Amino acid sequence: EAQVTQNPRYLITVTGKKLTVTCSQNMNHEYMSWYRQDPGLGLRQIYYSMNVEVTDKGDVPEGYKVSRKEKRNFPLILESPSPNQTSLYFCASSLPREGTQYFGPGTRLTVL
Amino acid sequence: AQSVTQLDSHVSVSEGTPVLLRCNYSSSYSPSLFWYVQHPNKGLQLLLKYTSAATLVKGINGFEAEFKKSETSFHLTKPSAHMSDAAEYFCVVRAAYSGAGSYQLTFGKGTKLSVIP
Repeated sequence: EAQVTQNPRYLITVTGKKLTVTCSQNMNHEYMSWYRQDPGLGLRQIYYSMNVEVTDKGDVPEGYKVSRKEKRNFPLILESPSPNQTSLYFCASSLPREGTQYFGPGTRLTVL
Repeated sequence: AQSVTQLDSHVSVSEGTPVLLRCNYSSSYSPSLFWYVQHPNKGLQLLLKYTSAATLVKGINGFEAEFKKSETSFHLTKPSAHMSDAAEYFCVVRAAYSGAGSYQLTFGKGTKLSVIP
């Protein structure tokens, strides 16, 4: 089954404790992206990647890092999480020109 | 630059009545437009998309949307609401050019649809 998977689905952590949210897709998509969703703000893009070893900032990159060492994986790293990063996070992937992005199930992160 | 405005943050309809969710966009280039739906505690699912073919686009679950360039609108409609349509709906725009950021999507803030039995 074609899908985007994220782990963990739920995470509660404390300020300053480094964490990684994994994202993996099995559709051989070149393009991958991370979004955060906050009430009343819709989805905002954090980082995106056009292909392996090619990443760039989205609209709200501060406090986040990403890497793309393999085509299927695109982890999101929070080196020193803060409470304002409490949010619902989505990973997505797509073919370069097709346009339709396929979303993972989401990761709900709470930073205390 | 591109932007999306969903004109209603919350729409409430009775079951069996028509649904209209409004979306206006702006884009410097010929856009691709999408509607996604998010059911409670679920991820986003594509409802339909417009990519410069027919201006009336049919999607899943009886939804459709009409691209009106003169009005810069892409409203989502359904003739008869069902209880299972209760969800949040997002209008999304992507500029159709081949620059470095050309695959980036801009999301509206969402419209929450409630369906009253």
